[in-house]
Amino acid sequence: GIQVEQSPPDLILQEGANSTLRCNFSDSVNNLQWFHQNPWGQLINLFYIPSGTKQNGRLSATTVATERYSLLYISSSQTTDSGVYFCAVEAGGTSYGKLTFGQGTILTVHP
Amino acid sequence: DTEVTQTPKHLVMGMTNKKSLKCEQHMGHRAMYWYKQKAKKPPELMFVYSYEKLSINESVPSRFSPECPNSSLLNLHLHALQPEDSALYLCASSQVRQGTPSHFGNGTRLTVT
Repeated sequence: GIQVEQSPPDLILQEGANSTLRCNFSDSVNNLQWFHQNPWGQLINLFYIPSGTKQNGRLSATTVATERYSLLYISSSQTTDSGVYFCAVEAGGTSYGKLTFGQGTILTVHP
Repeated sequence: DTEVTQTPKHLVMGMTNKKSLKCEQHMGHRAMYWYKQKAKKPPELMFVYSYEKLSINESVPSRFSPECPNSSLLNLHLHALQPEDSALYLCASSQVRQGTPSHFGNGTRLTVT
């Protein structure tokens, strides 16, 4: 099956810093989503981005499907950004909605 | 994603109990999913329903029994669980075609004693 690798596994920032999270995948994808899981377990959909670039406030994401990677940018980080960031992909040629998640990046933002 | 509603939020059950997890969505999606997430791990797919029919079972033990009574509801019936089944159970929904986003509920945190 498709492999999804996220880096870094852990990231510690001071409030106001910027960061870049990376997601590499081993095969073509129909769907790629970035999620933020908060300390209460809620999985919040940040971006649906199988290709191209999107921005939403302080967050933006870029997927280069031909090179099999995606990047999530967080600018001016806040303590509420803390949590786990997951990249999840739906491999090309597989059933719809069968998402494979990366191991996640644990982000801690200190005040 | 609050468009997918899961109940209860927390559940504690003994190994001999029978309980059910419920999931509801009103986005008109005809695909619904159960994922299991152990602590400090990513979610893993358990079941996929398409047009109210089970289309994927990822080799899940029979003590987990899914049910899709209509296009808006998805249940997960639990019986004779083990302590290692303690986890966060997430429901999701999507359109029935590739390349569309999945929307997740807030999950049910299950503890088996």
